[in-house]
Amino acid sequence: DTAVSQTPKYLVTQMGNDKSIKCEQNLGHDTMYWYKQDSKKFLKIMFSYNNKELIINETVPNRFSPKSPDKAHLNLHINSLELGDSAVYFCASSQGQGLETQYFGPGTRLLVL
Amino acid sequence: AQKITQTQPGMFVQEKEAVTLDCTYDTSDPSYGLFWYKQPSSGEMIFLIYQGSYDQQNATEGRYSLNFQKARKSANLVISASQLGDSAMYFCAMRVTGTSYGKLTFGQGTILTVHP
Repeated sequence: DTAVSQTPKYLVTQMGNDKSIKCEQNLGHDTMYWYKQDSKKFLKIMFSYNNKELIINETVPNRFSPKSPDKAHLNLHINSLELGDSAVYFCASSQGQGLETQYFGPGTRLLVL
Repeated sequence: AQKITQTQPGMFVQEKEAVTLDCTYDTSDPSYGLFWYKQPSSGEMIFLIYQGSYDQQNATEGRYSLNFQKARKSANLVISASQLGDSAMYFCAMRVTGTSYGKLTFGQGTILTVHP
Protein backbone atom coordinates (compact mmCIF):
# COMPACT_ATOMS: atom_id res chain seq x y z
CA ASP A 1 0.00 0.00 0.00
CA THR A 2 2.84 2.35 -0.94
CA ALA A 3 1.53 5.90 -1.16
CA VAL A 4 4.12 7.46 -3.48
CA SER A 5 6.42 5.13 -5.37
CA GLN A 6 9.35 5.80 -7.67
CA THR A 7 11.31 3.62 -10.04
CA PRO A 8 14.14 2.98 -10.23
CA LYS A 9 15.57 3.48 -6.76
CA TYR A 10 19.12 3.67 -8.10
CA LEU A 11 20.31 4.77 -11.52
CA VAL A 12 23.95 4.68 -12.63
CA THR A 13 24.65 5.88 -16.16
CA GLN A 14 27.21 7.46 -18.43
CA MET A 15 27.39 11.12 -19.36
CA GLY A 16 25.39 11.91 -22.47
CA ASN A 17 22.80 9.16 -21.96
CA ASP A 18 19.05 9.71 -21.67
CA LYS A 19 17.16 8.29 -18.70
CA SER A 20 13.69 8.37 -17.17
CA ILE A 21 12.37 8.18 -13.63
CA LYS A 22 8.79 7.15 -12.99
CA CYS A 23 6.52 8.21 -10.15
CA GLU A 24 3.09 6.99 -9.14
CA GLN A 25 0.84 7.96 -6.23
CA ASN A 26 -2.22 6.11 -5.00
CA LEU A 27 -3.40 8.81 -2.59
CA GLY A 28 -5.88 10.33 -5.00
CA HIS A 29 -3.97 13.61 -4.93
CA ASP A 30 -4.24 16.05 -7.82
CA THR A 31 -0.86 17.77 -7.49
CA MET A 32 2.55 16.18 -7.99
CA TYR A 33 6.08 17.51 -7.73
CA TRP A 34 9.69 16.76 -8.55
CA TYR A 35 12.39 17.90 -6.13
CA LYS A 36 16.16 17.59 -6.46
CA GLN A 37 18.39 16.97 -3.45
CA ASP A 38 22.00 17.86 -4.16
CA SER A 39 25.19 16.50 -2.62
CA LYS A 40 24.87 18.97 0.26
CA LYS A 41 21.38 17.62 1.00
CA PHE A 42 19.69 20.81 -0.14
CA LEU A 43 16.19 20.21 -1.54
CA LYS A 44 14.79 22.37 -4.31
CA ILE A 45 11.58 22.24 -6.32
CA MET A 46 11.95 21.46 -10.00
CA PHE A 47 8.43 21.00 -11.35
CA SER A 48 4.85 20.82 -10.23
CA TYR A 49 1.82 19.45 -12.03
CA ASN A 50 -1.80 19.90 -11.13
CA ASN A 51 -4.29 17.59 -12.83
CA LYS A 52 -1.75 16.85 -15.60
CA GLU A 53 -1.04 20.55 -16.18
CA LEU A 54 2.42 22.04 -15.59
CA ILE A 55 2.20 24.83 -13.00
CA ILE A 56 5.78 25.24 -11.75
CA ASN A 57 8.95 25.08 -13.84
CA GLU A 58 11.66 26.34 -11.57
CA THR A 59 14.42 27.38 -14.01
CA VAL A 60 15.37 23.83 -14.76
CA PRO A 61 17.47 23.13 -17.90
CA ASN A 62 15.29 22.04 -20.77
CA ARG A 63 17.15 18.72 -20.83
CA PHE A 64 14.68 17.85 -18.07
CA SER A 65 11.20 17.13 -19.34
CA PRO A 66 8.41 16.07 -17.02
CA LYS A 67 5.36 14.31 -18.30
CA SER A 68 2.08 13.55 -16.55
CA PRO A 69 -0.04 10.99 -18.43
CA ASP A 70 -2.69 11.16 -15.72
CA LYS A 71 -2.97 12.75 -12.31
CA ALA A 72 -1.59 9.67 -10.54
CA HIS A 73 1.65 9.63 -12.53
CA LEU A 74 4.46 12.09 -13.05
CA ASN A 75 7.55 10.96 -14.93
CA LEU A 76 10.84 12.75 -15.39
CA HIS A 77 12.91 12.33 -18.53
CA ILE A 78 16.46 13.64 -18.64
CA ASN A 79 18.34 14.04 -21.93
CA SER A 80 22.10 14.25 -22.41
CA LEU A 81 22.94 13.59 -18.79
CA GLU A 82 25.74 15.65 -17.23
CA LEU A 83 27.92 15.00 -14.19
CA GLY A 84 26.11 17.79 -12.33
CA ASP A 85 22.82 15.93 -12.67
CA SER A 86 24.01 13.43 -10.07
CA ALA A 87 21.61 13.85 -7.15
CA VAL A 88 18.64 12.29 -5.44
CA TYR A 89 15.35 13.04 -7.16
CA PHE A 90 12.18 12.97 -5.09
CA CYS A 91 8.64 12.80 -6.32
CA ALA A 92 5.93 14.14 -4.01
CA SER A 93 2.18 14.66 -4.08
CA SER A 94 -0.45 16.69 -2.25
CA GLN A 95 -4.16 17.29 -2.41
CA GLY A 96 -4.22 20.75 -3.86
CA GLN A 97 -1.79 23.63 -4.32
CA GLY A 98 -2.43 25.31 -1.00
CA LEU A 99 -1.04 24.43 2.41
CA GLU A 100 -1.74 20.71 2.25
CA THR A 101 0.99 18.31 3.32
CA GLN A 102 3.22 16.92 0.60
CA TYR A 103 4.07 13.23 0.79
CA PHE A 104 7.32 12.08 -0.71
CA GLY A 105 8.39 9.01 -2.60
CA PRO A 106 11.49 7.05 -1.56
CA GLY A 107 13.76 8.97 -3.92
CA THR A 108 15.85 7.95 -6.94
CA ARG A 109 19.59 8.19 -6.51
CA LEU A 110 21.10 9.14 -9.88
CA LEU A 111 24.83 8.86 -10.46
CA VAL A 112 26.26 10.11 -13.72
CA LEU A 113 29.75 8.83 -14.52
CA ALA B 1 10.33 35.21 -1.80
CA GLN B 2 10.25 32.72 1.03
CA LYS B 3 13.25 31.70 3.08
CA ILE B 4 13.85 29.04 5.73
CA THR B 5 16.92 29.08 7.94
CA GLN B 6 18.16 26.24 10.11
CA THR B 7 21.25 27.44 11.94
CA GLN B 8 22.24 24.17 13.60
CA PRO B 9 24.17 21.94 11.17
CA GLY B 10 24.35 19.21 13.82
CA MET B 11 22.85 18.48 17.22
CA PHE B 12 23.59 15.80 19.80
CA VAL B 13 21.21 14.53 22.46
CA GLN B 14 21.25 11.79 25.03
CA GLU B 15 18.66 9.06 24.69
CA LYS B 16 15.42 9.84 26.62
CA GLU B 17 16.17 13.56 26.76
CA ALA B 18 14.33 16.29 24.88
CA VAL B 19 15.90 18.28 22.03
CA THR B 20 14.90 21.42 20.16
CA LEU B 21 15.76 21.94 16.50
CA ASP B 22 15.65 25.57 15.42
CA CYS B 23 13.90 26.98 12.37
CA THR B 24 13.28 30.58 11.39
CA TYR B 25 11.37 31.67 8.33
CA ASP B 26 10.72 34.73 6.26
CA THR B 27 7.71 35.48 4.12
CA SER B 28 5.45 38.42 3.41
CA ASP B 29 2.49 36.15 2.74
CA PRO B 30 0.04 36.15 5.70
CA SER B 31 -1.13 32.61 4.93
CA TYR B 32 1.51 29.93 5.13
CA GLY B 33 2.20 26.47 6.46
CA LEU B 34 5.29 25.20 8.23
CA PHE B 35 6.36 21.58 8.01
CA TRP B 36 9.01 19.35 9.50
CA TYR B 37 10.34 16.31 7.68
CA LYS B 38 12.71 13.60 8.85
CA GLN B 39 15.25 12.01 6.53
CA PRO B 40 16.91 8.93 8.04
CA SER B 41 20.08 7.46 6.58
CA SER B 42 17.94 5.23 4.35
CA GLY B 43 17.03 8.40 2.43
CA GLU B 44 13.25 8.68 2.46
CA MET B 45 11.49 11.90 3.47
CA ILE B 46 9.02 11.37 6.30
CA PHE B 47 6.44 14.02 7.19
CA LEU B 48 6.39 14.74 10.94
CA ILE B 49 4.27 17.76 11.80
CA TYR B 50 2.46 20.77 10.36
CA GLN B 51 1.63 24.24 11.70
CA GLY B 52 -0.61 26.71 9.89
CA SER B 53 0.02 30.43 10.22
CA TYR B 54 -3.48 31.00 11.59
CA ASP B 55 -3.42 28.11 14.05
CA GLN B 56 -3.84 29.39 17.59
CA GLN B 57 -2.23 26.44 19.29
CA ASN B 58 1.12 24.79 18.77
CA ALA B 59 0.92 21.55 16.81
CA THR B 60 1.69 18.25 18.49
CA GLU B 61 2.09 14.74 17.05
CA GLY B 62 3.09 12.14 19.58
CA ARG B 63 6.63 12.95 20.77
CA TYR B 64 6.89 15.83 18.29
CA SER B 65 5.71 19.33 19.01
CA LEU B 66 6.19 22.55 17.15
CA ASN B 67 7.04 25.67 19.15
CA PHE B 68 5.47 28.31 16.91
CA GLN B 69 6.36 31.93 17.70
CA LYS B 70 4.79 33.98 14.96
CA ALA B 71 6.14 37.37 16.00
CA ARG B 72 9.68 35.97 16.01
CA LYS B 73 9.04 34.00 12.82
CA SER B 74 10.28 30.81 14.37
CA ALA B 75 8.94 27.26 14.20
CA ASN B 76 11.18 25.08 16.31
CA LEU B 77 10.70 21.31 16.48
CA VAL B 78 10.78 19.75 19.92
CA ILE B 79 11.36 16.02 20.20
CA SER B 80 10.65 14.65 23.65
CA ALA B 81 12.11 11.46 25.09
CA SER B 82 14.62 10.99 22.24
CA GLN B 83 15.14 7.51 20.87
CA LEU B 84 18.06 6.05 18.96
CA GLY B 85 15.79 5.84 15.91
CA ASP B 86 15.42 9.63 15.95
CA SER B 87 18.97 9.96 14.61
CA ALA B 88 18.42 11.49 11.18
CA MET B 89 18.48 14.71 9.21
CA TYR B 90 15.56 17.05 9.93
CA PHE B 91 14.25 19.61 7.49
CA CYS B 92 12.02 22.58 8.17
CA ALA B 93 9.96 23.69 5.18
CA MET B 94 7.33 26.25 4.28
CA ARG B 95 4.49 26.55 1.80
CA VAL B 96 2.61 29.73 1.02
CA THR B 97 -0.58 30.31 -0.90
CA GLY B 98 -0.82 32.39 -4.05
CA THR B 99 1.56 32.38 -6.97
CA SER B 100 4.02 29.95 -5.38
CA TYR B 101 1.47 27.23 -6.25
CA GLY B 102 2.22 25.35 -3.09
CA LYS B 103 5.89 24.59 -3.61
CA LEU B 104 7.85 23.70 -0.50
CA THR B 105 10.86 25.83 0.38
CA PHE B 106 13.32 23.91 2.54
CA GLY B 107 15.95 24.86 5.08
CA GLN B 108 19.46 23.48 5.02
CA GLY B 109 18.65 20.71 7.48
CA THR B 110 19.96 19.69 10.90
CA ILE B 111 21.62 16.34 11.55
CA LEU B 112 20.46 14.94 14.89
CA THR B 113 22.50 12.26 16.61
CA VAL B 114 21.00 10.46 19.60
CA HIS B 115 23.56 8.90 21.95
CA PRO B 116 22.71 5.85 24.09
